[in-house]
Order: sequence, then structure tokens, then C-alpha cells
Amino acid sequence: NAGVMQNPRHLVRRRGQEARLRCSPMKGHSHVYWYRQLPEEGLKFMVYLQKENIIDESGMPKERFSAEFPKEGPSILRIQQVVRGDSAAYFCASSPHQGADQPQHFGDGTRLSIL
Amino acid sequence: AQKITQTQPGMFVQEKEAVTLDCTYDTSDQSYGLFWYKQPSSGEMIFLIYQGSYDEQNATEGRYSLNFQKARKSANLVISASQLGDSAMYFCAMRGDQGAQKLVFGQGTRLTINP
Repeated sequence: NAGVMQNPRHLVRRRGQEARLRCSPMKGHSHVYWYRQLPEEGLKFMVYLQKENIIDESGMPKERFSAEFPKEGPSILRIQQVVRGDSAAYFCASSPHQGADQPQHFGDGTRLSIL
Repeated sequence: AQKITQTQPGMFVQEKEAVTLDCTYDTSDQSYGLFWYKQPSSGEMIFLIYQGSYDEQNATEGRYSLNFQKARKSANLVISASQLGDSAMYFCAMRGDQGAQKLVFGQGTRLTINP
């Protein structure tokens, strides 16, 4: 399967723990986007990365959230000291290059549940 | 800023009928793309169809077509000959040609196909 790979599919954490979500983009795609989806809502942009660079993090909460896309390996979305309100589905998407005509291809998402 | 509005929270249609899902948008970008995604109950995001702002022809992909009316800023999705497997959430999204070119999503429409 050459699609966008996200893991884990489901993640359960207790309040105060750390959550790490991983995303491997499609082969040949160097642009990675993270989105968050609350129940019964559309996806909301969080952060846009290229290899080793954060390009736009305007949708990221100012505290506890961080993202990276290292030269080697998957992109990581990290949430420190999780709270109940972090419970959501987190989607990663990739595209081969920029352009308003480029669809973003999504992974299956990570469902994060905070106990 | 970009905005997508989907005014139909839920739609109920008989199998084999055609259905139109509404989407209106607002943007100041000269060039932009409009996308429809399907999210079944299993949660993944499936890309359905794309329409470019400068495309003169309405996009079609199998049973999906996009009724693009630029002057009205609308991009409605038409599904012909609906099937039970079409039951899902449907999201309209747009991507501009400026900045991060992130996808901006509407709130979605839950489509239920009745046998």
C-alpha cells in the first residue's frame, strides 16, 4: 500500500501523559499537513511541514503541541500533558508539491482518546 | 480568508435516486481548487473529485459530478444512481494559491441512502 500511513490507528492516554502520532507520506510526497477533527465537525488545519521545516503552524495550539518532519523517518505530531479536550481524530495528509489543483491524500487517521 | 459553507447537516435519499449536496465558498484568491471528500463510518477520508477555479467544464468522476457555478460561488456535488455504500459524511473543501495552501473544510453533510 503506497498510501499515507498513520499509526497508531487508536491511541488511549491518561490526562497528563504524552501522545505521539506518526505519519509517513506517500512516496514522492514532500509536503505534509496535519488536521484535527472533533466529533461531528469538519477537519481543521493544524500545521504544514516540508522536510526538516515547519512552514505554517498557525493552526497549532500555542502550548503542548509540536510537530516535526525529520530528514529521515515519519512526521511526528506530539502532544504533551494531554487533557480531555485533546480527544479527537488527527489526520495527516500529503501532496507531491504545492498548487491549488493538488488534492491532498489522507491517511486513515489516529483516534486519540483521553481518559 | 477562505470559508466553506455546507447548509445541509443531513440528507436522506432512496437508493438509485440522484442526490445533490450543496457547497458554497468564499475566497479572495484568484486561483483556487475545490474538492469533495467522503468519510464513511470507518473514518478514513476518501478524495472524490476536484474542480479548478479556471476550469470551464464541470468535473466528472464516474457517478460523481461537480456543478460549479463560479459567479454564485457554489460547487455542489451530484451523485447519480445512489447506492447503499454511498451512505457517509461528505465534506467540501477548498485550497487557495496563497500561503500554506491548506485545505479549508465545511462542516459536512451526512448522507443516508435508504433501500
